[in-house]
Amino acid sequence: GQQVMQIPQYQHVQEGEDFTTYCNSSTTLSNIQWYKQRPGGHPVFLIQLVKSGEVKKQKRLTFQFGEAKKNSSLHITATQTTDVGTYFCAGRGSNYKLTFGKGTLLTVNP
Amino acid sequence: DAGVTQSPTHLIKTRGQQVTLRCSPKSGHDTVSWYQQALGQGPQFIFQYYEEEERQRGNFPDRFSGHQFPNYSSELNVNALWLGDSALYLCASSLDWGTAYGYTFGSGTRLTVV
Repeated sequence: GQQVMQIPQYQHVQEGEDFTTYCNSSTTLSNIQWYKQRPGGHPVFLIQLVKSGEVKKQKRLTFQFGEAKKNSSLHITATQTTDVGTYFCAGRGSNYKLTFGKGTLLTVNP
Repeated sequence: DAGVTQSPTHLIKTRGQQVTLRCSPKSGHDTVSWYQQALGQGPQFIFQYYEEEERQRGNFPDRFSGHQFPNYSSELNVNALWLGDSALYLCASSLDWGTAYGYTFGSGTRLTVV
């Protein structure tokens, strides 16, 4: 079945440093979504990427979808303490199932 | 804010028992998906309901069953509970496949099996 892998599992940064998490799928995706889950909270939808090579920005967050539609990345510029949480990618395959990766836990030292 | 409402928030059950979890979707959403999230892991897809029918199912045994009602609310039932069923159970609602605006998750039900 479809598998979605994320690296790194954990990332600790100093406030102001950049952060990137990478997502890879075992199969070609129709689209990919990104979610953020704060400690003790639930996943919150951030964005969806659909087109090959698509790049979207939300303030300090930049999302990319690979040309082959099998990988994606989330980059945060100049992290802030409010960025703390686990970032999940979730890939939708041809069967329309949304499969989540294991997530990257980001901690930020002020 | 008519977000996704789940009940109960916490539950403790004994091995072998049965449990029912409930979910009211966000206003305007017609599709409900259930996920199981173990500690430190990503959400694992259990199944999805649309028009009162199970539309998709993940790799979960038949002990996991569900239902969707005409008002789009949903229930997740787990029979013969195992210790390994202890997890956060998340309900997510969407409009159809959630391809436009993603899924809206509830706060979850924390199930502990002892």
